[in-house]
Amino acid sequence: QAQLVESGGGVVPPGGSLSLSCAASGFTFSRYAMHWVRQAPGKGLEWVAFIRYDGNSIYYADSVKGRFTISRDNSKNTLYLQMNSLRPEDTAVYYCAKDRDELVPAHLFDYWGRGTLVTVSS
Amino acid sequence: SYELTQPPSVSVSPGQTASVTCSGHKLGDKYTSWYQQKPGQSPVIVIYEDNKRPSGIPERFSGSNSGNTATLTISGTQAMDEADYYCQVWDSRTYVVFGGGTKVTVL
Repeated sequence: QAQLVESGGGVVPPGGSLSLSCAASGFTFSRYAMHWVRQAPGKGLEWVAFIRYDGNSIYYADSVKGRFTISRDNSKNTLYLQMNSLRPEDTAVYYCAKDRDELVPAHLFDYWGRGTLVTVSS
Repeated sequence: SYELTQPPSVSVSPGQTASVTCSGHKLGDKYTSWYQQKPGQSPVIVIYEDNKRPSGIPERFSGSNSGNTATLTISGTQAMDEADYYCQVWDSRTYVVFGGGTKVTVL
């Protein structure tokens, strides 16, 4: 059974930076694409970023492009999200999510973490 | 950019059928997934590739997709099905897209 545990959330002022981590277990992390998805308080789901199993293909939502960086360390079974130039509208619970299929991504999510809350406020 | 539209809310009586729609341009040409999210919990996939149920998802959940509309159907709705439901697709230009979500209330 796959498990994903996010960490690194907290309160940060506008313009600040924060780094999130997602520790994966229960599956062969290095063979699956991973995603970050966020949810603002009381709002819907918003996809943030994608990284292929080997890190060689990366996509971002327009709302975070140029400010956020997704990366992974397959030797540590860990996914990361570096967030810079944070804005109040980035306030959300950030989930990491596992892509369903090995190697060739299905772009749908079969396991989600419990999320970590990021609050951007002065 | 590609967009998916869902009704904000759907109400259903226990034991009846709930239908949640998701609309998008030529949506029938894409595979649609559906996620259930209960308050304070992470989303759970209930339908993928339009009409397939992951293991452990009750048979009362089904899906269809044609034209510009995908539909999640919950037959014999139970109180435990009360939740927010999100449709989701992959688009070659917008990448991963979620609908705005539909709150299903079991009255």
